Amino acid sequence: QKEVEQDPGPLSVPEGAIVSLNCTYSNSAFQYFMWYRQYSRKGPELLMYTYSSGNKEDGRFTAQVDKSSKYISLFIRDSQPSDSATYLCAMIGGSQGNLIFGKGTKLSVKP
Amino acid sequence: DTAVSQTPKYLVTQMGNDKSIKCEQNLGHDTMYWYKQDSKKFLKIMFSYNNKELIINETVPNRFSPKSPDKAHLNLHINSLELGDSAVYFCASSQDDQGYEQYFGPGTRLTVT
Repeated sequence: QKEVEQDPGPLSVPEGAIVSLNCTYSNSAFQYFMWYRQYSRKGPELLMYTYSSGNKEDGRFTAQVDKSSKYISLFIRDSQPSDSATYLCAMIGGSQGNLIFGKGTKLSVKP
Repeated sequence: DTAVSQTPKYLVTQMGNDKSIKCEQNLGHDTMYWYKQDSKKFLKIMFSYNNKELIINETVPNRFSPKSPDKAHLNLHINSLELGDSAVYFCASSQDDQGYEQYFGPGTRLTVT
């Protein structure tokens, strides 16, 4: 079993839809959970990070962590065409700073 | 000003050559990283440096050697390039070695022919 599993999609939604992106993981030692956005041919951009379980909201974006289920989610409200990108979940692994990434979900928001 | 910059942006070279990729960050961060993103877009850490000292060295071939002349720079030198080294290489930095808030550069697209 891979340490971090993420459905690669692609996921296509109409503008204004609520988008739900998810990752599961196997290592119960993970404490920090990150979501990155990567536009085509660009570097990953940190959207938000969460420590341990709970929710965190930033504008249209909400991150949720359920450590008991080893499941994290990113919700995007009122999705826009500019949200079209690949979304990568990441977690801190055994070594400090050793980010373990999911494979990314490619999202397309249609006008 | 670009926070994390890399040069070159594109690099096309032949098998067997030696090449270097440079990275600079102007964020005042203590820790810098190199990641490799393969053709399937999977992003994996290669190295990490904290205050010019190596703190992560994942299982990468020893043809890859990181060098950090100061904490704002982390270069990646690759010897005897192979076809399988073709990928996008990203540099990143974070305030400290906890690494949960990493900022990435734009990437260097390496093609080995």
